Amino acid sequence: NAGVTQTPKFRILKIGQSMTLQCAQDMNHNYMYWYRQDPGMGLKLIYYSVGAGITDKGEVPNGYNVSRSTTEDFPLRLELAAPSQTSVYFCASKGAIEGEKLFFGSGTQLSVL
Amino acid sequence: GNSVTQMEGPVTLSEEAFLTINCTYTATGYPSLFWYVQYPGEGLQLLLKATKADDKGSNKGFEATYRKETTSFHLEKGSVQVSDSAVYFCALKGSGGSNYKLTFGKGTLLTVNP
Repeated sequence: NAGVTQTPKFRILKIGQSMTLQCAQDMNHNYMYWYRQDPGMGLKLIYYSVGAGITDKGEVPNGYNVSRSTTEDFPLRLELAAPSQTSVYFCASKGAIEGEKLFFGSGTQLSVL
Repeated sequence: GNSVTQMEGPVTLSEEAFLTINCTYTATGYPSLFWYVQYPGEGLQLLLKATKADDKGSNKGFEATYRKETTSFHLEKGSVQVSDSAVYFCALKGSGGSNYKLTFGKGTLLTVNP
């Protein structure tokens, strides 16, 4: 199994540009999450989903959008990128069988200049 | 709301030293507690967990005991190795309606020198 796959690994954006961070999991997990990790600040939840067609805001949703049209995919959309969105983004998933364990992707490092 | 407070880093130790990383939490009810580890360039991985008071989670020589009376879940290892160098995150999952979201601490960078 590939687990949780994130693309791209690195990206540089100009202010005002848009992009989509991709996340896919092949474990048939219902729960999926997007976190951002800023230095010294830990992980902050941006959006999460408890199943296909259902999404909800986390702690820091402003400037982002998500969709969950399939169980496998949970893309994160940045509209009008701002320097404050420079961060490392992690996607994670959780299934019923593994209990409370989150499975993380390897991250996307995004710089907005 | 729920919150997790971790010991500030960075922590630098010599190989075979004893490690303690403090973690305290604020939550209502009976949360589950976790330690996640992030090796350089990778995503987070679950290291250990405890789901009720007085439970001890353990893995790879690391241990942490869920202390409800002190609202703590300190991570310990008796003899660290260079390969333990990583960032360690304490986290909790609240009970009740928010039980599918984790709250993370800020992380503690551990560097182990040979």
